[in-house]
Amino acid sequence: GNSVTQMEGPVTLSEEAFLTINCTYTATGYPSLFWYVQYPGEGLQLLLKATKADDKGSNKGFEATYRKETTSFHLEKGSVQVSDSAVYFCALTDSNYQLIWGAGTKLIIKP
Amino acid sequence: ETGVTQTPRHLVMGMTNKKSLKCEQHLGHNAMYWYKQSAKKPLELMFVYNFKEQTENNSVPSRFSPECPNSSHLFLHLHTLQPEDSALYLCASSQDPLGIAGQSTDTQYFGPGTRLTVL
Repeated sequence: GNSVTQMEGPVTLSEEAFLTINCTYTATGYPSLFWYVQYPGEGLQLLLKATKADDKGSNKGFEATYRKETTSFHLEKGSVQVSDSAVYFCALTDSNYQLIWGAGTKLIIKP
Repeated sequence: ETGVTQTPRHLVMGMTNKKSLKCEQHLGHNAMYWYKQSAKKPLELMFVYNFKEQTENNSVPSRFSPECPNSSHLFLHLHTLQPEDSALYLCASSQDPLGIAGQSTDTQYFGPGTRLTVL
């Protein structure tokens, strides 16, 4: 069946460091891939998405590229800020357009 | 993002109480969802409504009862809950996930959640 695997957190970085949060998936067909972010005390917000192989989603300095050959959708940012501290969720859509979620990765940015 | 609102934001209830969670979306979407988010577990999809019809019920106990009176409102009625039901309950909506109206899109928009504590 479809599944999403994310690196376990928490990930702790200093401000202005480079960020990578790994996400790999197992799926049949060609699912859309998503990164959602959850700030403390809030619901989930769509951060970026990619709908086909080699697409790059980007938003707020974050990027992720849909890699079909490695079944990956790693999230990257060149210089993180304290305000990026949150939980990040990788997800994909199944054939019924339901979201399959990773377990989430907590990111802590220290000043 | 205020497109999806949820009330109340926090709820404490005893195991014998009956309460309801409310979700409202102002995005003109046709599908609405209830999720349960527990600590250190992936989000669990509970119910899906598409054009007011329930299309998914992921083996949720009957003490959770959803209601979707129209495409903008979604309720989750709670009764005789257990302490392990304490969690963040998230509502989401999307435009037309199955492409029924020819506008298929799979992006879901979430509300802020209701933090439920069952004593």
